Amino acid sequence: NAGVMQNPRHLVRRRGQEARLRCSPMKGHSHVYWYRQLPEEGLKFMVYLQKENIIDESGMPKERFSAEFPKEGPSILRIQQVVRGDSAAYFCASSPASGSKSEQFFGPGTRLTVL
Amino acid sequence: TQLLEQSPQFLSIQEGENLTVYCNSSSVFSSLQWYRQEPGEGPVLLVTVVTGGEVKKLKRLTFQFGDARKDSSLHITAAQPGDTGLYLCAGSMGSNYKLTFGKGTLLTVNP
Repeated sequence: NAGVMQNPRHLVRRRGQEARLRCSPMKGHSHVYWYRQLPEEGLKFMVYLQKENIIDESGMPKERFSAEFPKEGPSILRIQQVVRGDSAAYFCASSPASGSKSEQFFGPGTRLTVL
Repeated sequence: TQLLEQSPQFLSIQEGENLTVYCNSSSVFSSLQWYRQEPGEGPVLLVTVVTGGEVKKLKRLTFQFGDARKDSSLHITAAQPGDTGLYLCAGSMGSNYKLTFGKGTLLTVNP
């Protein structure tokens, strides 16, 4: 009964490099959400995706950040040309196709450190 | 401005004591979730409340949603060291999928 899986758990990048964060939702879940947790702050919504569709990306910075959830494979959060301010914990959550979308189950997160 | 205010920010108690933590807002939420997060891990969903005045019990944990759906409380009876963690409340409005999180209450239960 696997939960939401994220990898890598820890990622270190130098300024200017790209970061790719992966998320596999719970079995039977087709809705994926990405949140960012900055030090001393609460989790902040970034983007909501369904298979092959971005439903709401209002919380995601317009530049350097992109997300996808392809028909096959995990959801990817991609950060290009990373800067020190991108250092944070990035969490993925999923919810089932039916039922309340607010009842979201979170993965263990990817801790990104930008040197 | 934080939409969801949690208090207290930190709480350190002895095993066996009771405690209540609070989640307050001036906004109305269609549903509210409580999560517990341990260091280096993701938030784990404890409960969802949707009806004003609703009370839910989970073993020694009692969750209440305010009548006006603007606030919530979590009461723990006879706390144990295993209850140690960051307790987060999160609410959704309208769209129902965009969770707004408080900053959490960091609870430490000492043996």
